[in-house]
Amino acid sequence: GIQVEQSPPDLILQEGANSTLRCNFSDSVNNLQWFHQNPWGQLINLFYIPSGTKQNGRLSATTVATERYSLLYISSSQTTDSGVYFCAVSPPTDSWGKLQFGAGTQVVVTP
Amino acid sequence: DVKVTQSSRYLVKRTGEKVFLECVQDMDHENMFWYRQDPGLGLRLIYFSYDVKMKEKGDIPEGYSVSREKKERFSLILESASTNQTSMYLCASSPGAGSTDTQYFGPGTRLTVL
Repeated sequence: GIQVEQSPPDLILQEGANSTLRCNFSDSVNNLQWFHQNPWGQLINLFYIPSGTKQNGRLSATTVATERYSLLYISSSQTTDSGVYFCAVSPPTDSWGKLQFGAGTQVVVTP
Repeated sequence: DVKVTQSSRYLVKRTGEKVFLECVQDMDHENMFWYRQDPGLGLRLIYFSYDVKMKEKGDIPEGYSVSREKKERFSLILESASTNQTSMYLCASSPGAGSTDTQYFGPGTRLTVL
């Protein structure tokens, strides 16, 4: 199956800093999503981005499908950005939208 | 807004017990999923369902079964709980548009098997 690698595994930021999270995937995809899991365990969908660039407030994401990677940018980080960020993908051969998740990036934003 | 609810946030069971985890979604979604999350492994798919009474195995179905008698409800069953099933269990649903679907998650159930 498709492999998903996220880096870095852990990230500690001071409030106000910017950061970039990376997701590499081993095969072509037609579904790529970024999720944020808050410290209480709830996963929230941030972006559906199989290609191109999207922005939502202080967060933005870029996927370069031909080179098989996606980047999530966090600007002016806040303590509420803490949690685990997951990248998940689905190949074109999948009919049901089953997602393959990476191991995640644990982000801690300190005041 | 899509709402996915799970029956318990925390659950403690003993080895050998039969365990039921319930998931309900209120958006008439076709697809529902059960994942388990373990540190360093991300989320792994246990089972999914694309219609009432229809189910497919995911990547790690051993030791689990599922039931979907109504469209809005998807149950995960541990027939005989074991300590290696101690984990966070997450339910998700998606509209059923196919491979480009967005998934919506419940709050999770943290299960401990003693």
